[in-house]
Amino acid sequence: DVKVTQSSRYLVKRTGEKVFLECVQDMDHENMFWYRQDPGLGLRLIYFSYDVKMKEKGDIPEGYSVSREKKERFSLILESASTNQTSMYLCASSALRDRTYEQYFGPGTRLTVT
Amino acid sequence: QQPVQSPQAVILREGEDAVINCSSSKALYSVHWYRQKHGEAPVFLMILLKGGEQKGHEKISASFNEKKQQSSLYLTASQLSYSGTYFCGTEEGTNAGKSTFGDGTTLTVKP
Repeated sequence: DVKVTQSSRYLVKRTGEKVFLECVQDMDHENMFWYRQDPGLGLRLIYFSYDVKMKEKGDIPEGYSVSREKKERFSLILESASTNQTSMYLCASSALRDRTYEQYFGPGTRLTVT
Repeated sequence: QQPVQSPQAVILREGEDAVINCSSSKALYSVHWYRQKHGEAPVFLMILLKGGEQKGHEKISASFNEKKQQSSLYLTASQLSYSGTYFCGTEEGTNAGKSTFGDGTTLTVKP
């Protein structure tokens, strides 16, 4: 089974802090994603990466950056956390299946910025 | 652009049927369906590729109408375990591997 793990389930940070969210997948997937999930807004893509050191902005990249130094690990960085970044953050990785890509999600990190 | 899901929420009794729709204004290559239970990560259900292919998984099936850029998820004889939020993810042909998700449809199945 594919496993996507995230470093923390719950995280509380102060405004202005630099925050690192880590995601690791164990299936050698090329693609990795960071989403933010808020009530009524569904899953919104922040960044994705299709290879080591490669990244592409998603729909809401402002205030975030990412790092992918190794294939299995994709980090989301909040340079200076703000209260409007309080949210559930989901990491996913994808593999080619039936000529398209099926995404596997991690358990999520619920971040609270105070 | 985000696909539009309807309805936003539905409440059923066990054994009843439901249909969840997902529409896009863009030409799609595929549609994915996921279910997320409260407090858990979304879990993949099925993928549909352009061509109007219909798929099934136990009592849950889906179709993809390429002309309308619309997919429908059919839940037949619903069970309590079907409760959760259903998301469609759409993939355009030019963005291999990247899906855009709808807002989700919350399904509640009551005894």
